[in-house]
Amino acid sequence: SQTIHQWPATLVQPVGSPLSLECTVEGTSNPNLYWYRQAAGRGLQLLFYSVGIGQISSEVPQNLSASRPQDRQFILSSKKLLLSDSGFYLCAWSTVRTSGGGRETQYFGPGTRLLVL
Amino acid sequence: RKEVEQDPGPFNVPEGATVAFNCTYSNSASQSFFWYRQDCRKEPKLLMSVYSSGNEDGRFTAQLNRASQYISLLIRDSKLSDSATYLCVVNDYKLSFGAGTTVTVRA
Repeated sequence: SQTIHQWPATLVQPVGSPLSLECTVEGTSNPNLYWYRQAAGRGLQLLFYSVGIGQISSEVPQNLSASRPQDRQFILSSKKLLLSDSGFYLCAWSTVRTSGGGRETQYFGPGTRLLVL
Repeated sequence: RKEVEQDPGPFNVPEGATVAFNCTYSNSASQSFFWYRQDCRKEPKLLMSVYSSGNEDGRFTAQLNRASQYISLLIRDSKLSDSATYLCVVNDYKLSFGAGTTVTVRA
């Protein structure tokens, strides 16, 4: 069965510090991978998605970046954190979309709760 | 206009009650629809997909109305464990999430 891991679970960082969040998926190959952020009381905001190694699409321009160095590894980074980067960061995976299009269930990791002070 | 809109609630219902709520979406070309459940400080978990003809999974019933562009979720015989935030999700080329409807089931 497929599992998805994220770490760390919780992180408190000062403004201006760097960030690296990691997500790995087991039990599947060539998944689509996603990074979302959920601010308090808000819906999930898609930040990045990747359909393969080295392929990153950015949905929202900001001071974050993502990389996919291996098939089942997805990393979210920042060189300098802002207060507004605080939130709940969720990684998700899905299988490659079928030719029918549109039907793509996503499964989420446990998330990283980031507090920038 | 937001892509996906939900009544945030909270819906406070007694155990055994029926609760229902809707979600509207703006893109008429949206292909597929889901309901996710999110417990406090946890990740969202897939509750059910929503099919054109409507579908049922135990005490949960999901319906899709393409003409009016909304989906609904109905929970029958509510349990305390149903207390959660329910996220409406709409898929065109990417998933768009609603902010969630909070349901609290009281004893």
